[in-house]
Amino acid sequence: EAAVTQSPRNKVTVTGGNVTLSCRQTNSHNYMYWYRQDTGHGLRLIHYSYGAGNLQIGDVPDGYKATRTTQEDFFLLLELASPSQTSLYFCASSERAGGQYFGPGTRLTVL
Amino acid sequence: GQQVQQSPASLVLQEGENAELQCNFSTSLNSMQWFYQRPGGSLVSLFYNPSGTKHSGRLTSTTVIKERRSSLHISSSQTTDSGTYLCALEPWYNQGKLIFGQGTKLSIKP
Repeated sequence: EAAVTQSPRNKVTVTGGNVTLSCRQTNSHNYMYWYRQDTGHGLRLIHYSYGAGNLQIGDVPDGYKATRTTQEDFFLLLELASPSQTSLYFCASSERAGGQYFGPGTRLTVL
Repeated sequence: GQQVQQSPASLVLQEGENAELQCNFSTSLNSMQWFYQRPGGSLVSLFYNPSGTKHSGRLTSTTVIKERRSSLHISSSQTTDSGTYLCALEPWYNQGKLIFGQGTKLSIKP
């Protein structure tokens, strides 16, 4: 089964702060994704990537940047964090077919 | 409207009873995936099921494309099955992306 890890697992920051969420997958999947999960909205796609150096805009990209530095590593950047970005963030990876595999999640609180 | 609708929103059963969770979709799909979300938040992939029926232990997933529905059946439920079950559709027009349902919260009483 795909192994996807995320760090940190929990993060508290203040409004206007900079936050970087990290994701690493070790199964040589080409596709990686960042989601946020909020009560009442379910899971929503922020950004995704087809491979190193590639970035695609998801459904809720405002306030987020992403970088895919290698096939294994995908980062989500919040440069001016706001309380509305308090959420549970998931990273996932997949091959072209076969389903997505999710990391354990990062709980972010913006005060 | 919502492209993926799950029902019921919540379900309470006694241990040993069977559970039937439904996912209806309004767009053509390339694939359907079912997840279990633990009370702590982590997501576990249960099935990747573009069509037909798949089994895994006490779990069965059935996707009927023509009827635009997918179901998850849990037989002989256990208290450890409690949590939230999510279905997610990969649309034909935007492959690689998942559209999630709102989830079914399952509670199994001892």
